[in-house]
Amino acid sequence: LAKTTQPISMDSYEGQEVNITCSHNNIATNDYITWYQQFPSQGPRFIIQGYKTKVTNEVASLFIPADRKSSTLSLPRVSLSDTAVYYCLVGEDSGYSTLTFGKGTMLLVSP
Amino acid sequence: EAGVAQSPRYKIIEKRQSVAFWCNPISGHATLYWYQQILGQGPKLLIQFQNNGVVDDSQLPKDRFSAERLKGVDSTLKIQPAKLEDSAVYLCASSLDMPNEQYFGPGTRLTVT
Repeated sequence: LAKTTQPISMDSYEGQEVNITCSHNNIATNDYITWYQQFPSQGPRFIIQGYKTKVTNEVASLFIPADRKSSTLSLPRVSLSDTAVYYCLVGEDSGYSTLTFGKGTMLLVSP
Repeated sequence: EAGVAQSPRYKIIEKRQSVAFWCNPISGHATLYWYQQILGQGPKLLIQFQNNGVVDDSQLPKDRFSAERLKGVDSTLKIQPAKLEDSAVYLCASSLDMPNEQYFGPGTRLTVT
C-alpha cells in the first residue's frame, strides 16, 4: 500500500480557500486517491476521489498532477463547519481493497 | 436512505469484562467493515466482511476479539476479555461496489476502566 504524508494541522479563516496537499510518492498504477472528512464524535465521510487531473464535486476539488505523486484537496470559501480532520488515502478501488487511514490533517477554521 | 446504524453509542466497562457492539449497514451493501479508532489516530481496520464471509481480519486481535455477520446483513463485534488499551471508538462502515467509498456509522465509544 502506498504511504501518504500530509500536514498534521492547518489553520484558516472563514471565507478563505484551503488547500491540503498529500504526498504519495509510491502510488501504484491501479491506485486511486480518496479523501475523507471526519467531524468530532462522527465517523469519517467520503468527500472525493480521483485518478488523475482534476475532479470537482459540490464539496471540494481534487487536483492531481501528471506524475500522481501528490494531490491537493481544495475547499473553496471555508466556513466554521469545515473544521474537521481530513484524511488522504491511496489504494485500488476494486475487489477486496481496503482503506488505510493515517493521522490526517486537522483543519481549524476561525471567524 | 437510512445510514449505518450502530449501538450502543457509549459503553463503560471494567477490564476483563466482555462487551458487544452491533452494526446494521446500509440496505444492499454487501461489504461491511469494523474499525478501531484510538484518540488522535485514524481508524484502523479490524475486519472486513463480504456478505457473510471474512475477507480480511489480519489486524483483529483474535485472542480477545471476534466478529460475525450472520445472514450477510447485521454484524456484531465482541471483546472478551477487555483490556485498558481497548478504550477507543469502534466504527462500522459499509460499501456497495466501490470499496473506497465507504459509509460510516456514528461509532461506539468504549471506555475500559
